[in-house]
Amino acid sequence: EAQVTQNPRYLITVTGKKLTVTCSQNMNHEYMSWYRQDPGLGLRQIYYSMNVEVTDKGDVPEGYKVSRKEKRNFPLILESPSPNQTSLYFCASSFPIPGNEQFFGPGTRLTVL
Amino acid sequence: GENVEQHPSTLSVQEGDSAVIKCTYSDSASNYFPWYKQELGKRPQLIIDIRSNVGEKKDQRIAVTLNKTAKHFSLHITETQPEDSAVYFCAAPEGNTGFQKLVFGTGTRLLVSP
Repeated sequence: EAQVTQNPRYLITVTGKKLTVTCSQNMNHEYMSWYRQDPGLGLRQIYYSMNVEVTDKGDVPEGYKVSRKEKRNFPLILESPSPNQTSLYFCASSFPIPGNEQFFGPGTRLTVL
Repeated sequence: GENVEQHPSTLSVQEGDSAVIKCTYSDSASNYFPWYKQELGKRPQLIIDIRSNVGEKKDQRIAVTLNKTAKHFSLHITETQPEDSAVYFCAAPEGNTGFQKLVFGTGTRLLVSP
């Protein structure tokens, strides 16, 4: 089954404790992206990747890191989480040509205390 | 960069009524406009999209219209049903970048009452 997976689905952590949210897709997509969803603000892009070893900042990259060592995986790293990073996070992937559907993962609800 | 504005933020209709959600965009080079539906607790999923070479596209009860001159596009849902209740997002690409960097609107929460 073609899909985007994320883990964990739910996470409660404390300020300053490094964490990683994994994202994996099995559709051979070159393009992958991370979004955060907050009430009233829609989906805001954090980072995106055009292909292996190619990443770039989105609209809200502060406090996040990513890596793209393999085509299928695109982990999101929070080196020192803060309460303002409490949010719902979505990973998405697609073929890179405009007009191709972006497929979203199931989401990760993160709470930073 | 691209700026996408979406209205209204919430929309309540009675079952069977029509619903219209409007978005404006800023980058005249944008050429692809998708709409995503997000049901409660679920992931966003593409429901319809339109490209800049057409003015309207229909798929059963949903349709999207595009006015490139005015830089706005709209989602129309006819004969609404309770299962249409969800948050709807419009999106536009970050100009003619040649790749798939989408900018999303802030979302419209549609509530269809039986």
